[in-house]
Amino acid sequence: GAVVSQHPSWVICKSGTSVKIECRSLDFQATTMFWYRQFPKQSLMLMATSNEGSKATYEQGVEKDKFLINHASLTLSTLTVTSAHPEDSSFYICSARGAGGSSGNTIYFGEGSWLTVV
Amino acid sequence: AQSVAQPEDQVNVAEGNPLTVKCTYSVSGNPYLFWYVQYPNRGLQFLLKYITGDNLVKGSYGFEAEFNKSQTSFHLKKPSALVSDSALYFCAVRDTSDYKLSFGAGTTVTVRA
Repeated sequence: GAVVSQHPSWVICKSGTSVKIECRSLDFQATTMFWYRQFPKQSLMLMATSNEGSKATYEQGVEKDKFLINHASLTLSTLTVTSAHPEDSSFYICSARGAGGSSGNTIYFGEGSWLTVV
Repeated sequence: AQSVAQPEDQVNVAEGNPLTVKCTYSVSGNPYLFWYVQYPNRGLQFLLKYITGDNLVKGSYGFEAEFNKSQTSFHLKKPSALVSDSALYFCAVRDTSDYKLSFGAGTTVTVRA
């Protein structure tokens, strides 16, 4: 199946700093990428949808100025958590949809990134 | 709006026994349904999907799921469970227009040796 890579897998940052998480589709072009947040033992919460070359669409209640999403190419989307605070500590997962064909109907997920803000 | 429900928080089975993880859905149009598995501290792995066609869908690692339109269900099944199947399982439904996935709450499967 298609591969989606996330980096870093784990990151610790100081409160008030910004941290960037990358999401790459390795063997297909991702026209759409999604960013989720997951709290321990809970389901995934969709944060935003990003399409290559356009502004991300944020879900209700998600601060777009705090969670900056950039989808500069068909294989890369980035999530930047700005001025991070301890309550931003979470597991962030990205997913990607292919451009069409058999990969177009399936959403593939990255391995996730653990963010701890101290 | 679409949604899925996973009525069981936990499912416990003995190794070698059949495993069933339940999922019901609610959509306004034709459902696009998915099952994913998540191991601790990992992302989601795609198991199988139903888009159209045969109601019985076969997926990865010996899993299958049956789409039942009359009962609006898409239960995940495995005839003989393995200890390594112990994980968190998510059912999801996709919006047909913008590809957003709506996830169930998840079901933790524990397979005991």
